[in-house]
Amino acid sequence: SQKIEQNSEALNIQEGKTATLTCNYTNYSPAYLQWYRQDPGRGPVFLLLIRENEKEKRKERLKVTFDTTLKQSLFHITASQPADSATYLCACGSQGNLIFGKGTKLSVKP
Amino acid sequence: DAGITQSPRHKVTETGTPVTLRCHQTENHRYMYWYRQDPGHGLRLIHYSYGVKDTDKGEVSDGYSVSRSKTEDFLLTLESATSSQTSVYFCAIATGPGSRNTEAFFGQGTRLTVV
Repeated sequence: SQKIEQNSEALNIQEGKTATLTCNYTNYSPAYLQWYRQDPGRGPVFLLLIRENEKEKRKERLKVTFDTTLKQSLFHITASQPADSATYLCACGSQGNLIFGKGTKLSVKP
Repeated sequence: DAGITQSPRHKVTETGTPVTLRCHQTENHRYMYWYRQDPGHGLRLIHYSYGVKDTDKGEVSDGYSVSRSKTEDFLLTLESATSSQTSVYFCAIATGPGSRNTEAFFGQGTRLTVV
């Protein structure tokens, strides 16, 4: 079955450092991959989308890469801030369905 | 915020009773999704719809049914609720994979407790 894995349940980093989150997929050829942020008690909020024919996308302090050979996406937050603390979800889409990984809880310490 | 509303926001029900959750959108998006979110499992897709009367199963569809008779409404029904269906349910809408901006917008969630 299709599987999306986010390797780390939790990631703790110091303010100002770059956070790197990993998403791997198996038994799947997604047309695109998305990253979302979820705060406690709230629904996920979309951050970035990258399509299968794109290698890298950037938005302000966020960068996402997509490697279809490795079946992996990396999500980077540069110059991290305590306000970046949240759970980050990876999602893969193809033919209309949208499947999420379990998420990585990022904590940025001052 | 995208125009998506879930109702009710909270519900407590007894085992064996039917329950219907409603998702309403004002964005005219083609795709609508129902997910459940549980600790240790993340967001899991229950069912989704790609148009009026067009629905498909997700990874955890057993015990759930859906209906979409209008573009704006997507109903999730638990025919006979069980304690294992205690969860937070999220509805999401999207324009679809062929669109330039195909991000999903989520509702506020419904916390369902089956006792």
